[in-house]
Amino acid sequence: DIQLTQSPSFLSASVGDRVTITCRASQGISSYLAWYQQKPGKAPKLLIYAASTLQSGVPSRFSGSGSGTEFTLTISSLQPEDFATYYCQQLNSYPRFTFGPGTKVDIK
Amino acid sequence: EVQLVQSGAEVKKPGESLKISCKGSGYSFTSYWIGWVRQMPGKGLEWMGIIYPGDSDTRYSPSFQGQVTISADKSISTAYLQWSSLKASDTAMYYCARQDVEADAFDIWGQGTMVTVSS
Repeated sequence: DIQLTQSPSFLSASVGDRVTITCRASQGISSYLAWYQQKPGKAPKLLIYAASTLQSGVPSRFSGSGSGTEFTLTISSLQPEDFATYYCQQLNSYPRFTFGPGTKVDIK
Repeated sequence: EVQLVQSGAEVKKPGESLKISCKGSGYSFTSYWIGWVRQMPGKGLEWMGIIYPGDSDTRYSPSFQGQVTISADKSISTAYLQWSSLKASDTAMYYCARQDVEADAFDIWGQGTMVTVSS
């Protein structure tokens, strides 16, 4: 099975900061990677698919990049509503669509 | 509006059976895969399995194969997740989600069903 790791697992940042989260796959997954945001008590929300394509309605301060085994999610200027947990998910190894362990973004 | 609406919270005893549901609306239910995701209290997301309601083709994560059953009734646009004998370790929030094949990601999520198993 393809394993995903995320770093950091926890991140403390201020409003306006540029934030980068990394997701690494145990083997190449091309661009079959999605990023989700989850707020406490809520369902996950799709932010990015195909590693770098912004989901409709998601603010442009979110961006994704990478292919193969290393991927990044960047928030260019952190906003108060962005404090949440972020998960990557690989969709290369059908149908075992594993998630990363998550990165919690907290207020500094 | 495209949405998935899940059944309400459940409290069960160990050994009991349970079937929770996920009803799709606002789109062609038979044309999209529906996946199930577990989130144990305070933990991350775990992929359980997926079903194509059009023909009930179902695939499971190895971790959940034999532990749960995923099914669908396309006549009422509803997918199901069921257990034959619950354990305390099944206590979790369960989400269903629609796979957008073009995006190759899960774009629509249900609100979640909390399952509590306790004696």
